[in-house]
Amino acid sequence: EDKVVQSPLSLVVHEGDTVTLNCSYEVTNFRSLLWYKQEKKAPTFLFMLTSSGIEKKSGRLSSILDKKELFSILNITATQTGDSAIYLCAVKARSGGGADGLTFGKGTHLIIQP
Amino acid sequence: NAGVTQTPKFQVLKTGQSMTLQCAQDMNHEYMSWYRQDPGMGLRLIHYSVGAGITDQGEVPNGYNVSRSTTEDFPLRLLSAAPSQTSVYFCASALGSHNSPLHFGNGTRLTVT
Repeated sequence: EDKVVQSPLSLVVHEGDTVTLNCSYEVTNFRSLLWYKQEKKAPTFLFMLTSSGIEKKSGRLSSILDKKELFSILNITATQTGDSAIYLCAVKARSGGGADGLTFGKGTHLIIQP
Repeated sequence: NAGVTQTPKFQVLKTGQSMTLQCAQDMNHEYMSWYRQDPGMGLRLIHYSVGAGITDQGEVPNGYNVSRSTTEDFPLRLLSAAPSQTSVYFCASALGSHNSPLHFGNGTRLTVT
C-alpha cells in the first residue's frame, strides 16, 4: 500500500522565521510529488517535482525532491501571516496506490504568529 | 474562468436521505475526481473519471455513486446518507490523469444527523 507521511503535523512559528516541511513516501512506480497549500477552502497547487535534486522555486517558497531517500522538503523563508495554512504533500504513482495513483499525506498545519 | 465549481457549499441531511453533490469544470479537463477530507485522515479518493462515460472506484467508494455523461460535469450521489459520511467533499479536475496537477473546487461541507 502506498504511503505518504508528512512532518511535523503542526508547527507554530513567528513571522520572519524560516520553516521546513517534510514529506516522505513509499510508493510503487513513483511518477511525481506535488505540494498544495490549503487555506480555508480549496487546496491550491504549489509545485510538482519529478526529478531529484532540482529545486523548484516560487518567491519565498522552494521545494526539492530526493528520489533516492524518498522524501521532499518545502521551505518557506521570511514567513508572513498569510503563509498560515495546511500544506499537503501528494505522490503520484504510475499505477496502483490510490486508484488513480495519487496518495495524499495528512498535511502540516502551519501557523505564523505576528 | 470559473475553474471547478461545486454546489451546494453546505448541506445538512438526515440519516437515510439521498442527495447529489454537483461538480462542474470549464477547463475541458478529461480527468475528474471526488475526495473527502476528514480531520486526521487527509484527503481520500472516493471515485474518479478519466473521461466522459468512464468512472472507477477510489479508496472509499462505498455509499457513493458517480456518473460522467459529459466532460464538464461529475456529480456525486449519496444513496442513503449515514453519519459516517459527514465530511468536507472536494471535487478536482486535471488535464490528464498522469502528470497534470489537480485543480480543486471550494468544497461542500456535509453534515448527516
